[in-house]
Amino acid sequence: DADVTQTPRNRITKTGKRIMLECSQTKGHDRMYWYRQDPGLGLRLIYYSFDVKDINKGEISDGYSVSRQAQAKFSLSLESAIPNQTALYFCATSEPQGKLFFGSGTQLSVL
Amino acid sequence: QQQVKQSPQSLIVQKGGISIINCAYENTAFDYFPWYQQFPGKGPALLIAIRPDVSEKKEGRFTISFNKSAKQFSLHIMDSQPGDSATYFCAALSGGYQKVTFGTGTKLQVIP
Repeated sequence: DADVTQTPRNRITKTGKRIMLECSQTKGHDRMYWYRQDPGLGLRLIYYSFDVKDINKGEISDGYSVSRQAQAKFSLSLESAIPNQTALYFCATSEPQGKLFFGSGTQLSVL
Repeated sequence: QQQVKQSPQSLIVQKGGISIINCAYENTAFDYFPWYQQFPGKGPALLIAIRPDVSEKKEGRFTISFNKSAKQFSLHIMDSQPGDSATYFCAALSGGYQKVTFGTGTKLQVIP
């Protein structure tokens, strides 16, 4: 089984819909992250959490929200999806020394 | 603000050749520089990393060269193979290693 599991793997939705991307991990790491990948822009940080009670905005948090339900679970929500949120989304955990472990990603398309 | 600049955006190399990807950073507080490798349909995975107290680190066919004064570092892939075809991201972290700043990525294609 994968250490970092993302669901769903693919999602097509319509403008204005609320959607949730889920992430769970078995690494036992406290630190969890949500990144967005766009061609030519690399990986950009949306939100990060260092423990259940700690939530921090990243560089592109507008239009997104997160919930850290447990040490192992970190979900990303788009309250009202828009087409420019079409992207590949990654959840990741990290060791205290900074090494990141990524899930396999969720390809989101907003029509 | 792009704190880590990566080039080229794409690269085509013949099998057996040397692939070179370059990165430059601005923040002198960065003190850990990893490279991540991403295959299609997969998340990035750590490939190799270096700290600024050394100028070079080698792991198999992969070498990081680091120039602290120029604030630049590069990934060299020797004897490039078709299996190396992937997207490569350079990255940088500062003390506490709380957030990783990524470059924009380089799509490498190694042709037979």
